Amino acid sequence: GQQLNQSPQSMFIQEGEDVSMNCTSSSIFNTWLWYKQDPGEGPVLLIALYKAGELTSNGRLTAQFGITRKDSFLNISASIPSDVGIYFCAGRGSGTYKYIFGTGTRLKVLA
Amino acid sequence: KAGVTQTPRYLIKTRGQQVTLSCSPISGHRSVSWYQQTPGQGLQFLFEYFSETQRNKGNFPGRFSGRQFSNSRSEMNVSTLELGDSALYLCASSGLTSGDVKLYNEQFFGPGTRLTVL
Repeated sequence: GQQLNQSPQSMFIQEGEDVSMNCTSSSIFNTWLWYKQDPGEGPVLLIALYKAGELTSNGRLTAQFGITRKDSFLNISASIPSDVGIYFCAGRGSGTYKYIFGTGTRLKVLA
Repeated sequence: KAGVTQTPRYLIKTRGQQVTLSCSPISGHRSVSWYQQTPGQGLQFLFEYFSETQRNKGNFPGRFSGRQFSNSRSEMNVSTLELGDSALYLCASSGLTSGDVKLYNEQFFGPGTRLTVL
């Protein structure tokens, strides 16, 4: 199935460090969504982006809609243990109701 | 406001059987999408319904089907189960097509149904 390229695939970081991850597509998107998923649960929406260049924050999380409309970035500042989980991006182009998801970034935080 | 609910949460079936999963969207949401999540393939789109009509379909065989009722609740059915159908099945709902892009585009997921096929 179709998936977006998301990197890094996984990362270990120290508590208090900042984290960056990104998602790239071969297609232009009109909407980018970022989710976090804990084991055994459904993904939880973190941030939604609707315009190229848009920068949106949600607490310690900041996401950007790339100006090419083919990529998006998520930053987590001052990570804490509860940031552990899998982060997914999802993108959707015009004329479709279907979201394509990234391969996920597994984040592990060392206290 | 209650979130997206899915029933059952866990299900064990054997090959060849069929299964029906249920999803109740957030109150007022009219769009329901279904996804299959497996470790190897990630999150894959199955189909999306809006006002009882299927608007989009992913690349899954015809054994996977769905429907939506007038109250926006949705069901998906998998017939003739195969071992490879073992997965977490997720339902997501979106708001009204009201001209508000935020309401229309943001998808909220339920906790999923973990299906195991033996």
